[in-house]
Amino acid sequence: KQEVTQIPAALSVPEGENLVLNCSFTDSAIYNLQWFRQDPGKGLTSLLLIQSSQREQTSGRLNASLDKSSGRSTLYIAASQPGDSATYLCAVDTGGFKTIFGAGTRLFVKA
Amino acid sequence: NAGVTQTPKFQVLKTGQSMTLQCAQDMNHNSMYWYRQDPGMGLRLIYYSASEGTTDKGEVPNGYNVSRLNKREFSLRLESAAPSQTSVYFCASGGTLDEKLFFGSGTQLSVL
Repeated sequence: KQEVTQIPAALSVPEGENLVLNCSFTDSAIYNLQWFRQDPGKGLTSLLLIQSSQREQTSGRLNASLDKSSGRSTLYIAASQPGDSATYLCAVDTGGFKTIFGAGTRLFVKA
Repeated sequence: NAGVTQTPKFQVLKTGQSMTLQCAQDMNHNSMYWYRQDPGMGLRLIYYSASEGTTDKGEVPNGYNVSRLNKREFSLRLESAAPSQTSVYFCASGGTLDEKLFFGSGTQLSVL
């Protein structure tokens, strides 16, 4: 059974710091991996989707990498800002319309 | 650009009451989903609809029913609400052929 783990559960950093969020999954047979952002009381917004054949995706200050063989993905946020404060979730598509989510990392960027 | 629209945003029920959560998407996606999110846990799939006219159980379907009314609309029904169904419910669409998943803003449900 696929399991997705995100460590740490919470992270606090000063503004301007570069940071890395981690995601691990137990079964490397995935179709893609997505990183989402969730603001308090809101729905999830997809930030980046990495297909299984890809190694990374970039969008602005965000860069996500995927290493299927080791079951790991990282989300790199450059020059963090207070507006980046949110919960970040990763999710793997295992096929058959089943996407498995991690519990998320709650990020707080201090001004 | 409405995306995925869910109603209601908040609901309080008494044990045993019934209700239907409504969801509509305007992105012409074939697939739609209902998830629940509980504190400290990731999202768990309740039911999904791969295409209009089909529905299938997800990880936690007990106590719920769904209807794919047409390509745009996918509803979730609680026939006899229980306190264990207190949660935040999200509707989503997309997610096929490497599509991103798009989520509604959620329904916060409390069952007393």
